[in-house]
Amino acid sequence: RKEVEQDPGPFNVPEGATVAFNCTYSNSASQSFFWYRQDCRKEPKLLMSVYSSGNEDGRFTAQLNRASQYISLLIRDSKLSDSATYLCVVNTNAGKSTFGDGTTLTVKP
Amino acid sequence: DVKVTQSSRYLVKRTGEKVFLECVQDMDHENMFWYRQDPGLGLRLIYFSYDVKMKEKGDIPEGYSVSREKKERFSLILESASTNQTSMYLCASSQAGQGGNEQFFGPGTRLTVL
Repeated sequence: RKEVEQDPGPFNVPEGATVAFNCTYSNSASQSFFWYRQDCRKEPKLLMSVYSSGNEDGRFTAQLNRASQYISLLIRDSKLSDSATYLCVVNTNAGKSTFGDGTTLTVKP
Repeated sequence: DVKVTQSSRYLVKRTGEKVFLECVQDMDHENMFWYRQDPGLGLRLIYFSYDVKMKEKGDIPEGYSVSREKKERFSLILESASTNQTSMYLCASSQAGQGGNEQFFGPGTRLTVL
């Protein structure tokens, strides 16, 4: 079983749709959590950190459920420019990062 | 603007060659990382370093070594390249901190081993 698991998708949604991605992790000692975005043929870039209380950045909402060991990313009012691969990242206390394989989103007009 | 640079965007080498991939960051970050990214396998950590001259094995260190002689530079070495090391190699850096911080990635080096 992988340490970090994501639904690979692809998710194909129309503009304006709401889409949610989930990610589960196996290491209960994990300390910090992130969502990264990777565009085609580009490097990953931080989208947002994920906090226990949940956090929102515009159309994006991230949540963490430590008891069930999963994190989620919700995108509201999808835009064409949201098309990308979204990577779930989990860090241990030692600072080692484990990346999920990514979920591919395509937003269509 | 923060920046991580990698020495080559594309590299073609032959089986058995020694290959050096260089990474430089200008953010004075303590931590540096080397990953490879393959379709269906995601990003996998090869080696990381928390400080100059320090290194830690990641999940797939076999066939690789690293060097960190200066804080800003982290080199990945393939002692004897093999075809199964054909991949996209990504370097990243981050500030030190409990639990880890945002990682900044370089543009990647696409290595082909013939």
